[in-house]
Amino acid sequence: GAGVSQSPSNKVTEKGKDVELRCDPISGHTALYWYRQSLGQGLEFLIYFQGNSAPDKSGLPSDRFSAERTGGSVSTLTIQRTQQEDSAVYLCASSLTHRGRGTDTQYFGPGTRLTVL
Amino acid sequence: RKEVEQDPGPFNVPEGATVAFNCTYSNSASQSFFWYRQDCRKEPKLLMSVYSSGNEDGRFTAQLNRASQYISLLIRDSKLSDSATYLCVVNPDRAGTALIFGKGTTLSVSS
Repeated sequence: GAGVSQSPSNKVTEKGKDVELRCDPISGHTALYWYRQSLGQGLEFLIYFQGNSAPDKSGLPSDRFSAERTGGSVSTLTIQRTQQEDSAVYLCASSLTHRGRGTDTQYFGPGTRLTVL
Repeated sequence: RKEVEQDPGPFNVPEGATVAFNCTYSNSASQSFFWYRQDCRKEPKLLMSVYSSGNEDGRFTAQLNRASQYISLLIRDSKLSDSATYLCVVNPDRAGTALIFGKGTTLSVSS
């Protein structure tokens, strides 16, 4: 079946502009995660959605970052007034549930490479 | 102490070598554990889950030591295609908390 998809695959923007990144999780997956990965660095957790529960926003680096998940499926990560340090690959992942053996395996999308000039 | 710690490497080994990676985690209540593989400029992909009894998948063996709170990954008969970054992942089993990824261990297998 279809995996996690993300769009756009690449985004180049100017400092100060807003950007929106989209994630389509695997159908039926209730949990959705956003991470970012700077060049040569590990994954940095940003935000996590689980069903209808309030999202865990503890990883968002500043109030310029926000995300929403509409209808329990597609998610959009918005970065306002982008800065050069926002340049990274933004990865989305989904899992069937959050808990339980085998059901919390995360499947990643190919990522969006964001470059802020 | 970081929640998940890994030796970043790099581990440089010849083809055919056996190599082992360790990972430690801080939350003793963690219930599920994984190894993910990430190729250069690609997204992470699940390599294998790690269960209490340990598990093996071909040349790969994963072990869990709850008492010492560490997870290991053993790769036997290394192939060039094993060159990648291996991420240790822990589900801390706290309500509303996502999986926690280690920063990864880089493996380079040479001919």
